[in-house]
Amino acid sequence: QVHLVESGGAVVQPGGSLRLSCVASGFTFSPYGMHWVRQAPGKGLEWVAFIRDDGSNEQYADSVKGRFAISRDNSKKTVYLEINSLRLEDTAMYYCAKSGGDSLTGYPDYWGQGTLVTVSS
Amino acid sequence: SYELTQPPSVSVSPGQTARITCSGDALPKKYVYWYRQRSGQAPVLVIFEDYKRPSGIPERLSGSASGTMATLTISGAQVEDEAVYYCYSTDTSDNHRRVFGGGTKLTVL
Repeated sequence: QVHLVESGGAVVQPGGSLRLSCVASGFTFSPYGMHWVRQAPGKGLEWVAFIRDDGSNEQYADSVKGRFAISRDNSKKTVYLEINSLRLEDTAMYYCAKSGGDSLTGYPDYWGQGTLVTVSS
Repeated sequence: SYELTQPPSVSVSPGQTARITCSGDALPKKYVYWYRQRSGQAPVLVIFEDYKRPSGIPERLSGSASGTMATLTISGAQVEDEAVYYCYSTDTSDNHRRVFGGGTKLTVL
């Protein structure tokens, strides 16, 4: 059974940084891409970032490009999201999701329960 | 930027058929995926590659796609189907830009 557990969410000031983590279990981690998706309070889902199974390709939403960095450690079955220069509009629940389908263009199939990032002065 | 358009809300009575649409210019060339998000919970994949159902998703949920529009159909809607439904797809650029629709709140009452 696929299990994803996010952590690292916190209350941070504008301009600050955070690193979110997502630990996977219940499946063989290394062959699958991974996504991060966020949801601002009371709003819809926004796809944020994707990393390929071997870490060779990273993709970002235009809204976060240059500030966010996705990475993974297959030996630890963990995917990370480094968030820099935090803005008020980055306040959201951040979900990690396993990728199904094609290794380069796959879709989120299994999701974690999320970790909350609040940007506030 | 690429967009997927969904109606904000759909309402049906229990036992009726609910249809939620998703439109996008790239849909003739790209698959659509559908997610259900119940209040306070993480999203769950309910349809992938236009019409395929993951294991554990009831048969009353079905998907279809034609041209620039995809449709999620819930036949014989039940109270437990009440949720926000999101479509998801990619554009046709080399960047594989991924996007969710704005979400449709399904009310069953």
